[in-house]
Amino acid sequence: QKEVEQDPGPLSVPEGAIVSLNCTYSNSAFQYFMWYRQYSRKGPELLMYTYSSGNKEDGRFTAQVDKSSKYISLFIRDSQPSDSATYLCALVEGTGANNLFFGTGTRLTVIP
Amino acid sequence: DADVTQTPRNRITKTGKRIMLECSQTKGHDRMYWYRQDPGLGLRLIYYSFDVKDINKGEISDGYSVSRQAQAKFSLSLESAIPNQTALYFCATSADDRGRYFGPGTRLTVL
Repeated sequence: QKEVEQDPGPLSVPEGAIVSLNCTYSNSAFQYFMWYRQYSRKGPELLMYTYSSGNKEDGRFTAQVDKSSKYISLFIRDSQPSDSATYLCALVEGTGANNLFFGTGTRLTVIP
Repeated sequence: DADVTQTPRNRITKTGKRIMLECSQTKGHDRMYWYRQDPGLGLRLIYYSFDVKDINKGEISDGYSVSRQAQAKFSLSLESAIPNQTALYFCATSADDRGRYFGPGTRLTVL
């Protein structure tokens, strides 16, 4: 069983839609939760970062963590074609370089 | 200028050849990493270095070696390339245990 499970999609939505991207995990030791965005032929870039249960908002993006259910989500409001990318969740367990576990990514396309 | 740069951006090579991928960073981070990305497998850690004199194996180090030439430079070598090393390779840096800052990647094809 993988440490982090993420639906690969692809996910296609019309412009202006609300997008929900999700990851589940099995290890309750994960402490920090991140979302990366990766455009085609580019490296992943850090989008959102949180370390507690609840919601964190940044513009059109909201990261949600439910530690009791071992479930994290990224919501995108008023989605734009420029949001078309692959979104990867990443979870941090404790300390050390081997402590970061990535989901496989969900490919999102926002159709104008 | 980009904070993390990688050269080359694309490389096609033949089985058995030795190749080197290079990474430079201007973020001033001590920690540097090499990852590979494969469809359906996500990002996997190959090697990492916390400072110039520190080199550590990651999850999938077999067939690879690294050199940390300076705080800002970290290179990855494939001693004898094989087709299943065809992948996207990313260099990354960090200031601590949490976020990683990735370079633009090298697309490597081994024929």
